[in-house]
Amino acid sequence: RKEVEQDPGPFNVPEGATVAFNCTYSNSASQSFFWYRQDCRKEPKLLMSVYSSGNEDGRFTAQLNRASQYISLLIRDSKLSDSATYLCVASNNAGNMLTFGGGTRLMVKP
Amino acid sequence: EAGVTQSPTHLIKTRGQQATLRCSPISGHTSVYWYQQALGLGLQFLLWYDEGEERNRGNFPPRFSGRQFPNYSSELNVNALELEDSALYLCASSLGERGGQPQHFGDGTRLSIL
Repeated sequence: RKEVEQDPGPFNVPEGATVAFNCTYSNSASQSFFWYRQDCRKEPKLLMSVYSSGNEDGRFTAQLNRASQYISLLIRDSKLSDSATYLCVASNNAGNMLTFGGGTRLMVKP
Repeated sequence: EAGVTQSPTHLIKTRGQQATLRCSPISGHTSVYWYQQALGLGLQFLLWYDEGEERNRGNFPPRFSGRQFPNYSSELNVNALELEDSALYLCASSLGERGGQPQHFGDGTRLSIL
């Protein structure tokens, strides 16, 4: 079993749609969680950290459920520019090593 | 503020050769991480350096090695190159061993083995 698992997709959605991705992690002692975005043949870029109480950044909302060991990302009012692969990331016990999920591909169509 | 910089952007080698990839972290970051991303695959952790020392190593053979210099820049060396080493090699930096810090990535070096 992978340490961080994501549905690879692709998720094909129309512009303006709301889309949600889930991710599960196996290390119950993971301390920190992040969502990264990776465009084709580019480097991953930090999208947002994920806090226990949930957090929002514009159209993006991240949630953490420690009991069920899953993380979610909600994107509202999808834009064409949101098309990318979204990587779910969990840290180790100490929080200084990150494990990346395989990514979920999102394609927003006009 | 300059981000993580990597060089070269592209590197073409043949089987059996050796490759050296370089990375400069964000100013103030002491930890440097190396990842391999083969085409269509996820990020595979290679190495982690902090304060000049190797802190952790991924599941890669010993021909993958590296070092971190006193200015916190880092080199990744790959010896006896094989065709399957063709990949994007990404370097990331963070604020050291203190937990909870995100990693910030460079643009990567695309290594092609002919």
